Amino acid sequence: QLQLQESGPGLVKPSETLSLTCTVSGDSISSSYWYWGWIRQPPGKGLEWITTINNSWKTYYNPALKSRVTISVDTSQNQFSLTLSPVIAADTAVYYCARQSSGLGSFHDYWGQGIMVTISS
Amino acid sequence: QSVLTQPPSVSAAPGQKVTVSCSGGRSNIGSSFVSWYQQLPGTAPKLLISEDYKRFSGIPDRFSGSKSGTSATLGITGLQSGDEADYYCATWDNVLDALVFGGGTKLTVL
Repeated sequence: QLQLQESGPGLVKPSETLSLTCTVSGDSISSSYWYWGWIRQPPGKGLEWITTINNSWKTYYNPALKSRVTISVDTSQNQFSLTLSPVIAADTAVYYCARQSSGLGSFHDYWGQGIMVTISS
Repeated sequence: QSVLTQPPSVSAAPGQKVTVSCSGGRSNIGSSFVSWYQQLPGTAPKLLISEDYKRFSGIPDRFSGSKSGTSATLGITGLQSGDEADYYCATWDNVLDALVFGGGTKLTVL
């Protein structure tokens, strides 16, 4: 059974760097079909796609966040990571990692439980 | 404000049917597959429908998806109290070059 688990700090100061890691178990992150991504949800609001990395390690970014976001992969640990810098108060959200299908209109079929990140001094 | 428009809320009685609409444009719904997610309170979203109409593994056939032109619809029949949740549509927008979600629809089972 595929499982994803987010990890990282729950509190980050404004202007600093947020780093989150997603550990994947039950599937290889190097799998030829699947992509891997991050989605976030501010408190009481809807879902926002942040970024995706495909099986050739090509990256895709939400244009609204592109200047501040990086996604990367560590195949040796079967993990992928999100870096957001510098953070602002509006980045306060639950951050989810998910497996994503390839192709147009791709879907996220497995999600982590989410990690709440608060941006505050 | 999302490029995909969903009604903020819908409601119906137990056992009844409800539909959730998702309206977009030619650059998103009109040219890409739509997926639907259910988010129960305090939990991560769960995939219901992929590629416009395909039910994900384990999803009962009470849930259905359809698409026509630049609009998509999620249908839920035989409503149960456990269906009370937020529902989101999503697709790729090839002008924005981004994956976009609808604003979400809160389903209340009366």
